[in-house]
Amino acid sequence: GENVEQHPSTLSVQEGDSAVIKCTYSDSASNYFPWYKQELGKRPQLIIDIRSNVGEKKDQRIAVTLNKTAKHFSLHITETQPEDSAVYFCAARMDTGRRALTFGSGTRLQVQP
Amino acid sequence: DGGITQSPKYLFRKEGQNVTLSCEQNLNHDAMYWYRQDPGQGLRLIYYSQIVNDFQKGDIAEGYSVSREKKESFPLTVTSAQKNPTAFYLCASSLQMNYGYTFGSGTRLTVV
Repeated sequence: GENVEQHPSTLSVQEGDSAVIKCTYSDSASNYFPWYKQELGKRPQLIIDIRSNVGEKKDQRIAVTLNKTAKHFSLHITETQPEDSAVYFCAARMDTGRRALTFGSGTRLQVQP
Repeated sequence: DGGITQSPKYLFRKEGQNVTLSCEQNLNHDAMYWYRQDPGQGLRLIYYSQIVNDFQKGDIAEGYSVSREKKESFPLTVTSAQKNPTAFYLCASSLQMNYGYTFGSGTRLTVV
């Protein structure tokens, strides 16, 4: 089955700096890669996603890049703000077989004011 | 709240007891999922259902059971066979399997 590894497990940045979280996946059949943000005590919320026919997607301060050859994808947050502090999860899904999401272990992002 | 409701929010179980966690959605989604969240381990898939009256085991199905008798409901039973049930349980749904998830607010289960 699919395996997703996520790094780093914790990340601390100064307000205004950029943050990058990286994930690798094992199954080349995976073709959908969402990112979720989970604030303390709340449910995960989808913040951005990318499909395998696209190399990059951007939504305001958030962008995701995908390298299918290397089987990794990354979340980029620019001009970080204290409200970006949360746990971020990457995930991957295949289009055939078991099509449920496989999640990474999460990254706790702390933005220091 | 958000179209998918989990109850209860907190649940305490004595060892040897079975407990059932509720998950109801009014989003008309076909697919539903149960994940377990432990610190530092992300979300691990317990069971999922693509359609009514059908469900599949995930990565950590041992000690759990589910049913999908109605499109709106996907209850999870944590049986006494689950040796380490203390965790945060998240239910999710999606329009179909290849769409993004909407999560419930979760149930925190503690064995006392």
